[in-house]
Amino acid sequence: QVQLQESGPGLVKPSETLSLTCSVSGVSISTYYWAWIRQPAGKGLEWIGQIFNNATNYNPSLKSRVSMSVDTSKNQFSLKVRSVTAADTAVYYCARVDYFWFDPWGQGMLVIVSS
Amino acid sequence: DIQMTQSPSSLSASVGDRVTITCRASQSINTYLHWYQQKPGKAPDLLIYAASNLQRGVPSRFSGSGSETDFTLTISSLQPEDFATYYCQQSYRTPHSFGQGTKLEIK
Repeated sequence: QVQLQESGPGLVKPSETLSLTCSVSGVSISTYYWAWIRQPAGKGLEWIGQIFNNATNYNPSLKSRVSMSVDTSKNQFSLKVRSVTAADTAVYYCARVDYFWFDPWGQGMLVIVSS
Repeated sequence: DIQMTQSPSSLSASVGDRVTITCRASQSINTYLHWYQQKPGKAPDLLIYAASNLQRGVPSRFSGSGSETDFTLTISSLQPEDFATYYCQQSYRTPHSFGQGTKLEIK
């Protein structure tokens, strides 16, 4: 059974870098694409990007501020969002890309951008 | 970018009702369309993939149809656990995009 778990700071100051890690169990991280998706409170879902080994594909709306990486030794992948503002406050989800859909998802991590 | 538009945005229904949610893509996406259910405080769960394929473990009262630009999610007989928000998502082209969601509430 594949399981994902997000971790990282829940509070980030404006202009700093948001860093999250997704730990994967039940499957080798080298086998699939992996995605980050976020959801501001009370709003819809936004695809941030995805990674396969170290090949990445980012949402153009965030591309200049986002980077993703994979650590195969730890079976983890990571997200960094630079120069954050209050608009980056959201629940951040990691998910496996299974063929063309997202399944399963992590439980989500709330990240608040505030001084 | 491909825009996904769901209708209605919210819907009140009763247990036992048949409910249909519509998702329209701004351009043809073949059948690269997937449906998710999200309950408050939880991550979305995959219900239907590739327009009409029921994800393992999802009750058969859920069904999906459509192709190109117009898609529907149908719940044949609403159960209490079905009251949630539903999202469609296209994966035909990046950036992958979601509909704005349809909140299904108890009447």
